[in-house]
Amino acid sequence: DAGITQSPRHKVTETGTPVTLRCHQTENHRYMYWYRQDPGHGLRLIHYSYGVKDTDKGEVSDGYSVSRSKTEDFLLTLESATSSQTSVYFCAIRPDRAQETQYFGPGTRLLVL
Amino acid sequence: QQQVKQSPQSLIVQKGGISIINCAYENTAFDYFPWYQQFPGKGPALLIAIRPDVSEKKEGRFTISFNKSAKQFSLHIMDSQPGDSATYFCAASMVTDKLIFGTGTRLQVFP
Repeated sequence: DAGITQSPRHKVTETGTPVTLRCHQTENHRYMYWYRQDPGHGLRLIHYSYGVKDTDKGEVSDGYSVSRSKTEDFLLTLESATSSQTSVYFCAIRPDRAQETQYFGPGTRLLVL
Repeated sequence: QQQVKQSPQSLIVQKGGISIINCAYENTAFDYFPWYQQFPGKGPALLIAIRPDVSEKKEGRFTISFNKSAKQFSLHIMDSQPGDSATYFCAASMVTDKLIFGTGTRLQVFP
């Protein structure tokens, strides 16, 4: 998985609790992305980062926040989890602006009860 | 205008047959069209990609056909094998921008 790890790989939590998912890369790539994957919707971009402390919103950012304090780590936080945030979350990395290929991590399966 | 529409949602093909998955887009500014392959429990992985200056790109048994005037592109898998059983996503972007993914096609190849 191109030097990308995600943790945890599986998580069950209750509605209203905060949840943080971590993406860690060893490739020193500039761009990092968080997607969610749901049946019938494909992959939808939540937030992305184009450098340390530089982040921006994606298509489905409501209810999510991100932080990137180091090149290698990109954190996704659900401030107060809801059942609609039950999904599989994928992190992706991309070398730089000139290279389009994104490399995906193994995913985190999140269940919000 | 940012959508990428993918069909069919699922596809069943016999071993040795041809699998065809289609995608359509609206934004004429898109200039990069990749296909990703995803096996169960894994993240998507780039399979093949094309730019709009060519009408076809082939890598082994996988071919992208691109029709710029119709704003459509398709993935053809020749001599489909059971190991090709996976979910396939098309996507589109402007080279400096974010990928927009289709909704995915689940391919099952039976021996």
